[in-house]
Amino acid sequence: EAQVTQNPRYLITVTGKKLTVTCSQNMNHEYMSWYRQDPGLGLRQIYYSMNVEVTDKGDVPEGYKVSRKEKRNFPLILESPSPNQTSLYFCASSLSIYDRGGNQPQHFGDGTRLSIL
Amino acid sequence: AQSVAQPEDQVNVAEGNPLTVKCTYSVSGNPYLFWYVQYPNRGLQFLLKYITGDNLVKGSYGFEAEFNKSQTSFHLKKPSALVSDSALYFCAVRWRSQGNLIFGKGTKLSVKP
Repeated sequence: EAQVTQNPRYLITVTGKKLTVTCSQNMNHEYMSWYRQDPGLGLRQIYYSMNVEVTDKGDVPEGYKVSRKEKRNFPLILESPSPNQTSLYFCASSLSIYDRGGNQPQHFGDGTRLSIL
Repeated sequence: AQSVAQPEDQVNVAEGNPLTVKCTYSVSGNPYLFWYVQYPNRGLQFLLKYITGDNLVKGSYGFEAEFNKSQTSFHLKKPSALVSDSALYFCAVRWRSQGNLIFGKGTKLSVKP
């Protein structure tokens, strides 16, 4: 089954304790992205990756890191989490945006709810 | 700055009535336009997209959307709403050859029996 898998689904942690949210897709997609969803703000893009070893900042990258060492994985790293990073996080993937000019729909994981105390 | 607006936080519709969820985008270039739906505790699911050509686009679950270039709008429609259509709906725009996808803030659709 084609899917985007995020782990963990839920996490409660404390300020300053490094954490990683994993994201894996089995569709051989070139493009991957991370979003955060907050009430009244919709989805905001954190980072995206056009392909392996290629990453770029989205609208709200501060406090986050990503890496794309393999095509299927795109982990989100919070080196020193703070309470304002409490949110619902989504990973998504799609075929290359250079393929037919970027009109490929994205496939989303089921989300990771992070609470940082 | 490029932006997407969904002017209604919530839309209430009676089952069987037509529904419209509005979306407008800022003017700049030729965008690709998408609609996604989110059910509780789930990720977003793709509904439909506009690339070029016919202004009326048909998608999943009986939804369609009308692209209007002069009004820079891409409203989501359905002729007859179902209670199961109740969910959060997001409009999204990508300006061609750009890497980032910009989402609206979402509209909660509530369909009552």
